[in-house]
Formats: sequence, structure tokens, C-alpha cells
Amino acid sequence: GAVVSQHPSWVICKSGTSVKIECRSLDFQATTMFWYRQFPKQSLMLMATSNEGSKATYEQGVEKDKFLINHASLTLSTLTVTSAHPEDSSFYICSARGQIEAFFGQGTRLTVV
Amino acid sequence: GQNIDQPTEMTATEGAIVQINCTYQTSGFNGLFWYQQHAGEAPTFLSYNVLDGLEEKGRFSSFLSRSKGYSYLLLKELQMKDSASYLCADTDKLIFGTGTRLQVFP
Repeated sequence: GAVVSQHPSWVICKSGTSVKIECRSLDFQATTMFWYRQFPKQSLMLMATSNEGSKATYEQGVEKDKFLINHASLTLSTLTVTSAHPEDSSFYICSARGQIEAFFGQGTRLTVV
Repeated sequence: GQNIDQPTEMTATEGAIVQINCTYQTSGFNGLFWYQQHAGEAPTFLSYNVLDGLEEKGRFSSFLSRSKGYSYLLLKELQMKDSASYLCADTDKLIFGTGTRLQVFP
């Protein structure tokens, strides 16, 4: 099946710094990518949907100035958590839509200290 | 708006059959995905329903009733490795339901 690569798989950063997470579709072009946040023992919470070459669409309650999303090409989307704080610590996961199904990256465990 | 509900937890015995339900109220509904997610891992695709009826894929089957806003995932011949979370999602916005944690016991 199609492969979506997400990096880094885990990151620890200091409070106030920014962290960039990359999501790449390795063997297909993804016009739409999705970014999720997941808390322990909970489902995936959609943060935003990004389409190549246009601004991301953010879900209600998600701060677009804090979670910057760039979808510069058909194979790459990035999520930057700006001025990270401990409450931003979470599991972030991306997804890229293929012809029918959506494929997921491995996820990024972010810990802000 | 989108509202997708699932039971939070279920338990079953190895070798048994379990049905995981998903009810939805969504705007612009086009279909439903089912995914499996083991703890700490990425979700993996299980099935996809657009039309009413049953889609069978080996031990896993998924059913959809568009008029009732209802779907279920049927797991047969349960194995210990089936212990995981099962998530339904609308195919349009890829918004996920609350997820069901399934625990399979010997």
C-alpha cells in the first residue's frame, strides 16, 4: 500500500520554541492532507485540512497562528507548532488522501518541557 | 456539523464474533471508513462503504445504512492481536468518531 512518512517520530523541546513536523507521501501525490492531534486513549481530533497550494482550513478551536500548516507540494505538508508550551505536548499525526482511502504517517510524539 | 459516535470500550473472547457500531450525523456524507489503531501506532485502513450494504474482507466486514446514519464493523474469529482501537470516519472531511477500544481475552 501507499506510504506516508512523518518526521520526527518524537521530539522534546523547550517551552517557547517552535517545532516543525513533516509529512510526506512517498509514492503518490496527495492533493489533500490532514493533521490530527491525539490524547492518550482518545480518538483522533482533526486540527486542519490542507490542500496543495492553498491555505489550510482549520477546525473550530484550533489556533491557526499557533499551528502553522504549509502544503507546498503534492507530496509534502508541514505542521509548525509555534511558541510551544507544555499543554501542546501530544501525539500529532498526519494523513494523506489517496484515490479512495487515506494513509497515515507514523505520528510524532511532542513533549514540551 | 459532524457528529460520529461509537461505544467507548468492548470486550470479547478469542474465536468469537464482535460487532462495533458507529452512528453518524454529518453534512455532505459520501461514505464511511473503518480504521484499526494499535496503541502508539498509526491507524491502518480496514474498509470503506459508500453504498448501503455489507462489504466483506476476510475476517472483517463493514455494513452501512445511509438512511439510518448507521454503520458497523464485524470482526469474526477474533484473535488476541485484534485487541486495538477501531475508528470510523466520514470519507469527506476525514473526521473520526470517538473510537472503540476492543479487548480480546483468551
